[in-house]
Amino acid sequence: GNSVTQMEGPVTLSEEAFLTINCTYTATGYPSLFWYVQYPGEGLQLLLKATKADDKGSNKGFEATYRKETTSFHLEKGSVQVSDSAVYFCALVYGQGGKLIFGQGTELSVKP
Amino acid sequence: GAGVSQSPSNKVTEKGKDVELRCDPISGHTALYWYRQSLGQGLEFLIYFQGNSAPDKSGLPSDRFSAERTGGSVSTLTIQRTQQEDSAVYLCASSPQMSFGETQYFGPGTRLLVL
Repeated sequence: GNSVTQMEGPVTLSEEAFLTINCTYTATGYPSLFWYVQYPGEGLQLLLKATKADDKGSNKGFEATYRKETTSFHLEKGSVQVSDSAVYFCALVYGQGGKLIFGQGTELSVKP
Repeated sequence: GAGVSQSPSNKVTEKGKDVELRCDPISGHTALYWYRQSLGQGLEFLIYFQGNSAPDKSGLPSDRFSAERTGGSVSTLTIQRTQQEDSAVYLCASSPQMSFGETQYFGPGTRLLVL
């Protein structure tokens, strides 16, 4: 079946450090891929997405590239800020809309 | 515009009681989803509705769980005879339509605690 695996957290970084959160997926066919973020005390919100192979999603300095050959969608940011502290979820949707399948989430804590 | 709203924001109930959770999707969105977020299970899909089509109930964990969507808008998730393992945050999401790559917009959730 379809599934998403993320690197385990928590991840603790200093401000301005480089961030990578690994995400790999298993799916039949070609899913759409998403990163959602949950800031403390807030709801889930879309960070970025990619709908086909080699697409790059980007938002707020974060980037992720849809790699079909490695079935990956790793999240990166060149210089994190304290305000990036949150839980990040990688997810996929297969086919015409339908249910999101989430990874287990990765908690990021950025220290000043 | 207004986002997805859910009520109540918090619900404490006793084991064995029934609860109803409400979701108001973004106006005009035809697709509506329910998910559950719990410590042990992470984020799990429960059910979705798309227009007048039959809902996909494949994620409902037991027959104690049911949901309906009236008039293509508001949805209610009902849990009968609640158990302690039902304690979780229940999230509702909506999207403009159910097409490839469509973004789902989430509400703030209802935090359910079963004592």
